[in-house]
Order: sequence, then C-alpha cells, then structure tokens
Amino acid sequence: GAVVSQHPSRVICKSGTSVKIECRSLDFQATTMFWYRQFPKQSLMLMATSNEGSKATYEQGVEKDKFLINHASLTLSTLTVTSAHPEDSSFYICSASPLRTGSGYTFGSGTRLTVV
Amino acid sequence: GQQVMQIPQYQHVQEGEDFTTYCNSSTTLSNIQWYKQRPGGHPVFLIQLVKSGEVKKQKRLTFQFGEAKKNSSLHITATQTTDVGTYFCAALKMNRDDKIIFGKGTRLHILP
Repeated sequence: GAVVSQHPSRVICKSGTSVKIECRSLDFQATTMFWYRQFPKQSLMLMATSNEGSKATYEQGVEKDKFLINHASLTLSTLTVTSAHPEDSSFYICSASPLRTGSGYTFGSGTRLTVV
Repeated sequence: GQQVMQIPQYQHVQEGEDFTTYCNSSTTLSNIQWYKQRPGGHPVFLIQLVKSGEVKKQKRLTFQFGEAKKNSSLHITATQTTDVGTYFCAALKMNRDDKIIFGKGTRLHILP
C-alpha cells in the first residue's frame, strides 16, 4: 500500500529558531502533497498545498513567510516553520494521494512541534 | 467556501451499542471519504463513496452516501473498544488542487 513517511515525529525547539519537517512518499510519486495543522481534539486544518516544481498554494490566513514549503522532487516535500513561537506549537501532518481510484489520501505519522 | 458539517462532535456509547456519525454539505459533492484517527495517531483512510445512494460495508462499519450527494453517514454496529477514535468525513474541494476538506470529526468513546 501507499506509505508516507514524516520526520521528525517530535521536536522541541527554542523560540526564534526554525524547524524543518520532511514528508516523503515511499512507494509512489506525489506531484501534490498537503500540509495540515491539528490542535488538540480538533479537526485537521489545511495549511497549504505543496506542488512539485512550483510554488505552494497557501490557504487563507496562513503566513507564507512563516511556513515555508519546498517540493523539490516527486517524493519529498518539506515544511519549515521559521522563527517559531510558542503559538506555533501544534501537530503538523502531511498527506498525499497515489491517485489510484478510490485510494484516498495517505497521511504521514505527524510531527508534534513544541516551541519553548 | 465549501464546508462539511459533521455531527455529533462527541459520542459516548456502551461497548456493544451502535454508533452513527453524520456528515452534511450545502453543496453537491463529487465524492466523500471517511477517515479514522486513533488517539495520538494520524488519520487513516477507511473508504470513499462516489455514487448517489451508495452503500458500502466493512465488517461492522456501514457507509452511506445520500441520494443528493450532499450527506453521508458512518454506522458502526456493536461497538468494540478498538473502535475508539475520531472519525472524520472529508469531501473533495472542487478545484484543480484536488484538496480535501475535513469535517470537524466525531470523537467516539467506548464505555466498558
């Protein structure tokens, strides 16, 4: 089945530093990947759509300069949280679809970011 | 914009009782997907419904897509402790990005 690998699973960083999160599709190519943010006991909020070889598409209210997305290959997308602040602490999850009929989206295992 | 409303937000049931979560949209959907997220885990794809009035079953889980393709439901028969988690419906957003919009989810808690 389709597998999406996300690293790191947990990260603690100091305020003002940047954190990079990687999302890899292991057994399929993904021209598009999606980045979500999830607060405790809440739904997934789509932050941006990562497009291979072009600029990411950000949802309304998401700061492009704060959440940098790079999709340099068909199997890798990265999300960098720049100048992190405690309010950026959250669960970040990526997803991609192998685009097989009825296959749904495969999610990474998520990254728990804590900014201290 | 397109929104997907999901109810109830929480549900506590005794083990062995049935459970249903509902998903509604103000616009016609091309398809609807259901996901399960265990506590501390990530969403896992359960199923996709495409056809009007479609009904699909996975063991004790029954998924339905409304005739007008504006609503859907997930019914679990005789719940077990392994059913604990949050169930999300998700609808494809109708633009070229093919991104899906999630409902707020229904958190299911099983009482032993």
